[in-house]
Amino acid sequence: KNQVEQSPQSLIILEGKNCTLQCNYTVSPFSNLRWYKQDTGRGPVSLTIMTFSENTKSNGRYTATLDADTKQSSLHITASQLSDSASYICVVTSRGEGGGADGLTFGKGTHLIIQP
Amino acid sequence: DAGITQSPRYKITETGRQVTLMCHQTWSHSYMFWYRQDLGHGLRLIYYSAAADITDKGEVPDGYVVSRSKTENFPLTLESATRSQTSVYFCASSEYGASDSPLHFGNGTRLTVT
Repeated sequence: KNQVEQSPQSLIILEGKNCTLQCNYTVSPFSNLRWYKQDTGRGPVSLTIMTFSENTKSNGRYTATLDADTKQSSLHITASQLSDSASYICVVTSRGEGGGADGLTFGKGTHLIIQP
Repeated sequence: DAGITQSPRYKITETGRQVTLMCHQTWSHSYMFWYRQDLGHGLRLIYYSAAADITDKGEVPDGYVVSRSKTENFPLTLESATRSQTSVYFCASSEYGASDSPLHFGNGTRLTVT
């Protein structure tokens, strides 16, 4: 069964500090991996997508990494800001699983709190 | 403004009642989806649609009905609400399908069944 595990479940850090969120998956065959940010009371928003051939991708202060051999991804946040407080959800796509929706496996998310 | 809107934002209903959650998108995306989000479960797919008049079940479809007569609308109906359907419901759309393009989510409907 395809699974996506995220750690930690929750994290509290001080404003200005860096942090790293982890995503481990057992999804096969792998197609891509997306990180979503979900602010409280809002829907998730896509931050970045990682494909099999990509190791690192940056989006402002967010840097995602992918190790397809160990089936791990991380999301590193640099110089955190109060607006980074949110849940971060890892979503892994399995190619060939269905008509555009069945192939997604969602992690349960990491709840990040930035304290001033 | 372009986007995806859900209504109502909050809804309280009684067990056994029928309730419909609305979803409207202005991008003309082919694919639309309904998810529910519960603590400890993350997002779970209820139903999805690849185009008007084409719908398919997801992971947790029991007790729900969908229709898609127009590309831009994808209502979700709970035929006879149960307390286990208390949840936050998210509608989403994507241009080419969830595997090939990002999901664009609405801001959700928080449904409470008493």
